[in-house]
Amino acid sequence: DQQVKQNSPSLSVQEGRISILNCDYTNSMFDYFLWYKKYPAEGPTFLISISSIKDKNEDGRFTVFLNKSAKHLSLHIVPSQPGDSAVYFCAAIADFYNTDKLIFGTGTRLQVFP
Amino acid sequence: DGGITQSPKYLFRKEGQNVTLSCEQNLNHDAMYWYRQDPGQGLRLIYYSQIVNDFQKGDIAEGYSVSREKKESFPLTVTSAQKNPTAFYLCASSIQYRGNTEAFFGQGTRLTVV
Repeated sequence: DQQVKQNSPSLSVQEGRISILNCDYTNSMFDYFLWYKKYPAEGPTFLISISSIKDKNEDGRFTVFLNKSAKHLSLHIVPSQPGDSAVYFCAAIADFYNTDKLIFGTGTRLQVFP
Repeated sequence: DGGITQSPKYLFRKEGQNVTLSCEQNLNHDAMYWYRQDPGQGLRLIYYSQIVNDFQKGDIAEGYSVSREKKESFPLTVTSAQKNPTAFYLCASSIQYRGNTEAFFGQGTRLTVV
């Protein structure tokens, strides 16, 4: 039962354009969402997060949008750069058993070409 | 400088042998986690620990065991009971309070069982 879904396994975008990565979730108890970026053979690194009390959070070129009614969030990267080429994981947290257990999506591989 | 360290980066073992993956952090984080990454399946939680001497099973704990005798260390043993142990293993840690819950990941250990 995949509670966090990233339905696009890959995305290809031209340098300078906008990259939009999507994430859907099924559990309404999730109240905090994060995006991680992962290069091959490395651990993921935290990128940006959003609490369920907000609908937008911006950090430089990265913006995350949350639509609670649709149980959908998206990560926008503007402008996209070749160094952004990586796998992006969406993750969600619910206060199950009073612990911050992260539940990850399957990832979307972003390729930014010149 | 602070961080989370996994060792070794690559590990080869014969089928039927137990193997222990090391994870150490000097971030003073309470919570630690082990994830497994397989192609097309994202990150799946194996075990997690909120405090010393306490740990809980994640989604795919069968065939694995952990210990948390020290705050800094959370080793994972892949036992011979794990049917498909070849994978990329990631350890993570996080501060155990809400509002600052992004996890920090190690560089990963790629285990190959032959």
